[in-house]
Amino acid sequence: GESVGLHLPTLSVQEGDNSIINCAYSNSASDYFIWYKQESGKGPQFIIDIRSNMDKRQGQRVTVLLNKTVKHLSLQIAATQPGDSAVYFCAEHNDYKLSFGAGTTVTVRA
Amino acid sequence: GAGVSQTPSNKVTEKGKYVELRCDPISGHTALYWYRQSLGQGPEFLIYFQGTGAADDSGLPNDRFLAVRPEGSVSTLKIQRTERGDSAVYLCASSPQTGDTQYFGPGTRLTVL
Repeated sequence: GESVGLHLPTLSVQEGDNSIINCAYSNSASDYFIWYKQESGKGPQFIIDIRSNMDKRQGQRVTVLLNKTVKHLSLQIAATQPGDSAVYFCAEHNDYKLSFGAGTTVTVRA
Repeated sequence: GAGVSQTPSNKVTEKGKYVELRCDPISGHTALYWYRQSLGQGPEFLIYFQGTGAADDSGLPNDRFLAVRPEGSVSTLKIQRTERGDSAVYLCASSPQTGDTQYFGPGTRLTVL
């Protein structure tokens, strides 16, 4: 069967390795989903989004996967760099409102 | 180009005082949003403007909170009779149109003593 990634509040990654951040969402009617990165003392920064009619989208060094069957979203970061250290939030978009999940703090080890 | 800007970046006030927080959206963005972020949590929706009107203010905690956007650009979040529980980071975001990607400002950290 298919496994569902567990949301972890923290993730420690060796520099150069790939990171996978998981998120569970609640509303099946959400029209799209977004990943934001938030560094200390700054506002959330848009990384990538995915429409509800897609299951995968790739950006620069990032890939987002959407599994609507189990209401699960993941963000994969390739070749993690020290500048990737931050808190990552997934958000559901409904009409005009964003609902954010619990963040994951990613720490990159040199 | 210039992103969303918010002033002040930090505001310390005493319980019972009145504060105003300002948001300058990205030029040309018609939709503007306010969120509040408590320590260790994700942002929570407060209010949304399309143009000058508040289309949804359902996230405002109580009537001590009011937000305006009189000319459809800059917005001000006004908090009366501040309480210690109002301490948080207040984030503003804007998008070109309703439903588009929201871009956030750096936030205003409000501390009520």
